[in-house]
Amino acid sequence: GNSVTQMEGPVTLSEEAFLTINCTYTATGYPSLFWYVQYPGEGLQLLLKATKADDKGSNKGFEATYRKETTSFHLEKGSVQVSDSAVYFCALMIYNQGGKLIFGQGTELSVKP
Amino acid sequence: EAGVTQSPTHLIKTRGQQATLRCSPISGHTSVYWYQQALGLGLQFLLWYDEGEERNRGNFPPRFSGRQFPNYSSELNVNALELEDSALYLCASSNEQGRHGYTFGSGTRLTVV
Repeated sequence: GNSVTQMEGPVTLSEEAFLTINCTYTATGYPSLFWYVQYPGEGLQLLLKATKADDKGSNKGFEATYRKETTSFHLEKGSVQVSDSAVYFCALMIYNQGGKLIFGQGTELSVKP
Repeated sequence: EAGVTQSPTHLIKTRGQQATLRCSPISGHTSVYWYQQALGLGLQFLLWYDEGEERNRGNFPPRFSGRQFPNYSSELNVNALELEDSALYLCASSNEQGRHGYTFGSGTRLTVV
């Protein structure tokens, strides 16, 4: 079946530190991959996406590269800010397989000043 | 452009009652998705509606149901509420059946007492 595995949190970093949140997937087809972010008390916001192998998604200083050979889509940011504190979800969707996003369990990030 | 709007923001019901949650998609989006985010259980896919029809359903009992109206708005009904139904219910919308990701609303917090 299709699934997404993320590194467990919480992850605690100091401001301006480098961030990596690991995400690997298992898929029976050719998925599109996404990172969503959930700030406290809010819904999910699409952070970035990649629809085919070797695509790099980027937004607000965050980046992730679709690696088919390692079935990974790790999220990175060179210098985190306190305002990046949130829960990050990796997700996949296979078009024409029921329309649903399959989410990882989420990784909580806390950035300290 | 207005985002995905959900109402009510919070809902408190007694066990055994029925709850109705509402969602208005982004203008031009024909697909609506419902997800349950219960504490400790991550994001679970509930339902997908497209062009007024139910296209896919997650692993939830039949007392979870919904519909999509001609203007593409949607409602989720939960009958015979149980304590375990307490969760954040997120609605999302998309075009092209989610190929480029969804846009989520801020959710309805349902508390069953």
